[in-house]
Amino acid sequence: GQGVEQPDNLMSVEGTFARVNCTYSTSGFNGLSWYQQREGHAPVFLSYVVLDGLKDSGHFSTFLSRSNGYSYLLLTELQIKDSASYLCAVRWPNYNVLYFGSGTKLTVEP
Amino acid sequence: EAAVTQSPRSKVAVTGGKVTLSCHQTNNHDYMYWYRQDTGHGLRLIHYSYVADSTEKGDIPDGYKASRPSQENFSLILELASLSQTAVYFCASSGRTGTNTEVFFGKGTRLTVV
Repeated sequence: GQGVEQPDNLMSVEGTFARVNCTYSTSGFNGLSWYQQREGHAPVFLSYVVLDGLKDSGHFSTFLSRSNGYSYLLLTELQIKDSASYLCAVRWPNYNVLYFGSGTKLTVEP
Repeated sequence: EAAVTQSPRSKVAVTGGKVTLSCHQTNNHDYMYWYRQDTGHGLRLIHYSYVADSTEKGDIPDGYKASRPSQENFSLILELASLSQTAVYFCASSGRTGTNTEVFFGKGTRLTVV
């Protein structure tokens, strides 16, 4: 639902950075959440953004452009353990319902 | 810390059988959800509830029923399980306002229908 799109895979190198992109349909938007999910585990909340601009949270930062229906999750100083899937989810105005993209599998190489 | 507990953690069911997945939250949250995740895919919303004794359909409700007998408990029922319902099911909860609106997930139930 809500046309949430993410690339399937992303590869990067330890010590550098990775940017995980997400696009969505702008109708009914009430914020966007990012989750990390490791294989065989539940999604873990990382960040919620509702205002335009960059939200710096240290290792994880998030950017939002509401007019363009675009967000990204930026991971800096990558570590091997950052290898996981990153899920983007648009929050619907009613009852905090989340509509997820298919997730981006990030692989961090030595 | 917010807690959402699912049971069972895994289950094998026979095609045509009835399956009940249970979820219990101790977060005092008003909202609860059931999502399904297929291998290599994102989460899709099956049912959700914003108050006890009421449930709402999500994006993929066909073949599933939900029950919210109390604020803490939310069940997902497969009356006639089918092979296509093999997946991992996640329950989640969320509060009504302010910083309590983060959605917390349970650890998931892996359902295999044979």
